[in-house]
Amino acid sequence: DIQMTQSPSTVSASVGDRVTITCRASQSISSWLAWYQQKPGKAPKLLIHKASTLESGVPSRFSGSGSGTEFTLTISSLQPDDSATFYCQQYDSYSYTFGQGTKLEIK
Amino acid sequence: EVQLLDSGGGLVQPGGSLRLSCSASGFTFTNFAMTWVRQAPGEGLEWVSTINGVGGRTYYADSVKGRFTISRDNSKNTLFLQMNSLRAEDTAVYYCVKLWSFSYGHIDSWGQGTLVTVSS
Repeated sequence: DIQMTQSPSTVSASVGDRVTITCRASQSISSWLAWYQQKPGKAPKLLIHKASTLESGVPSRFSGSGSGTEFTLTISSLQPDDSATFYCQQYDSYSYTFGQGTKLEIK
Repeated sequence: EVQLLDSGGGLVQPGGSLRLSCSASGFTFTNFAMTWVRQAPGEGLEWVSTINGVGGRTYYADSVKGRFTISRDNSKNTLFLQMNSLRAEDTAVYYCVKLWSFSYGHIDSWGQGTLVTVSS
């Protein structure tokens, strides 16, 4: 199975900061990577698919990049509403493994 | 608007069985693969099982293979997960999710989740 590793596990930043989360795959997954945001007690929400395609309705401050084994999610200017846990997920092959999550805290 | 309504969760003893259901609306159900994803309390997300649009192909995580069965009734726009031989480690919120295409892809819609607790 393909393993997905996110870093950092937790990040604390201030409103207006630029935040970057990294996701690494144990083998190449081309661009078959999605990012999800989950707030406490809620179902996750799709932010980005195919590594860099922004889902409709998602603010443009979110962006994704990468291919192969290394990917990043960037929030260009952090907003108070962005406090959440973020997960990457590969869908190159079954099983559709998720990263362990990155908790984003607002200072 | 896509809607996925999960149901069927509850408290069950170890070794017991439970059947989850997911009622779908707002899209042509048979055209899309469906998946169950679970999340143990305080933990991350875990892919459980996927079924393609017509139900001809199914896939399972090693952790549930041989114990869980995914199925769908396209005439009723409903997805199922039959869970047998349940273990404490199966305790989680189970989400019904819709994939982007007929057989694979990213998750573009999530149900609200249904809690399964395996405990004596």
